[in-house]
Amino acid sequence: DTGVSQDPRHKITKRGQNVTFRCDPISEHNRLYWYRQTLGQGPEFLTYFQNEAQLEKSRLLSDRFSAERPKGSFSTLEIQRTEQGDSAMYLCASSYPTSGTTNTGELFFGEGSRLTVL
Amino acid sequence: QKEVEQDPGPLSVPEGAIVSLNCTYSNSAFQYFMWYRQYSRKGPELLMYTYSSGNKEDGRFTAQVDKSSKYISLFIRDSQPSDSATYLCAKASGYSSASKIIFGSGTRLSIRP
Repeated sequence: DTGVSQDPRHKITKRGQNVTFRCDPISEHNRLYWYRQTLGQGPEFLTYFQNEAQLEKSRLLSDRFSAERPKGSFSTLEIQRTEQGDSAMYLCASSYPTSGTTNTGELFFGEGSRLTVL
Repeated sequence: QKEVEQDPGPLSVPEGAIVSLNCTYSNSAFQYFMWYRQYSRKGPELLMYTYSSGNKEDGRFTAQVDKSSKYISLFIRDSQPSDSATYLCAKASGYSSASKIIFGSGTRLSIRP
């Protein structure tokens, strides 16, 4: 078990460019989450998947952001026409629910992909 | 109003002191609360979780939920320099297996040797 893997670890881009981040969750986990974290703040929810279905997307999320999980395994988060305000750490997490309907809440986070928009 | 409000600190205490970290929450549809710890340049990791109200103890750590005041607390006894990190309170939002986890802003804690 190698844990949650994110790539790239750091991306520097110019304003207006598109960027894509990839997340490989722990293999038996069927839930995958994307969060954004800026300095001095907690992780801000962006979206999450159960298998390949995107269950919820934050209303705060611009249409420039899109996430996919085509085969229920890895996921990509794309940001189009990046802005300086998009500079942040993008965290991916995965989890596996216990039996029944209860989410245990234990999210296993990757080390994040840091985006710097110049 | 944010669903989870947390004092950002920073908080600095001497080694061996008792640390108290606090959060308040709103929208208590699902009574499931967590504390995550985040070291610098790392992703958060789950420290403790608790359902409903009352206390839960794990070694030097105690999580407490007061439903009447919508208050979540984490106590650290005999604090160690290795406890220096950012502590994030979190709650499940909603009431189903589709609930997402909402985090507070985090409290940065420093334990002085």
